[in-house]
Amino acid sequence: SQQGEEDPQALSIQEGENATMNCSYKTSINNLQWYRQNSGRGLVHLILIRSNEREKHSGRLRVTLDTSKKSSSLLITASRAADTASYFCATVYTSGTYKYIFGTGTRLKVLA
Amino acid sequence: SAVISQKPSRDICQRGTSLTIQCQVDSQVTMMFWYRQQPGQSLTLIATANQGSEATYESGFVIDKFPISRPNLTFSTLTVSNMSPEDSSIYLCSVPGTGAEQYFGPGTRLTVT
Repeated sequence: SQQGEEDPQALSIQEGENATMNCSYKTSINNLQWYRQNSGRGLVHLILIRSNEREKHSGRLRVTLDTSKKSSSLLITASRAADTASYFCATVYTSGTYKYIFGTGTRLKVLA
Repeated sequence: SAVISQKPSRDICQRGTSLTIQCQVDSQVTMMFWYRQQPGQSLTLIATANQGSEATYESGFVIDKFPISRPNLTFSTLTVSNMSPEDSSIYLCSVPGTGAEQYFGPGTRLTVT
């Protein structure tokens, strides 16, 4: 399977703590994206990092990308109860059009 | 960004029946994607629906089981045919954004009994 792997599968932290989740993939990519899914609803795009970038920030989110190791990490700082959700990485490569491969997901629970 | 709605939001169906899921986008888009998310799992692409041409199905998915219509640039339907309990999943449609991101609908939660 070409599916990306994420770890941990589940993470439980206290409000105010930082949450880190990791994504590993197998193919060469054009970019890598992170999405959030609340309670089995639709996915919301969080951040995109291109293959020639190493780090990117957006508000409380920090994403890193190591193409030599085919891995990425998402850091959520100062977590809030509202951050409780599942987080998925999506690796994107081009084959005529964009092709997306979603990771297995990390279920984050932030305790108030 | 695109705003996407799906109908129904959820349904419980008997095995052997079919369900048609609708996806409506607030802007015209060339491509629409249909995904399946089995319980506790990640997303798997079923097919890409292009207006004016046949949908392109991914390996493991066939048109007889998942027929797709794309009558115009803002609407698509996915039918889950001859359902079995293994079809119980969340079905999601999405459209590409102006960059490489995707915008997703809220999903249709299907339970087959």
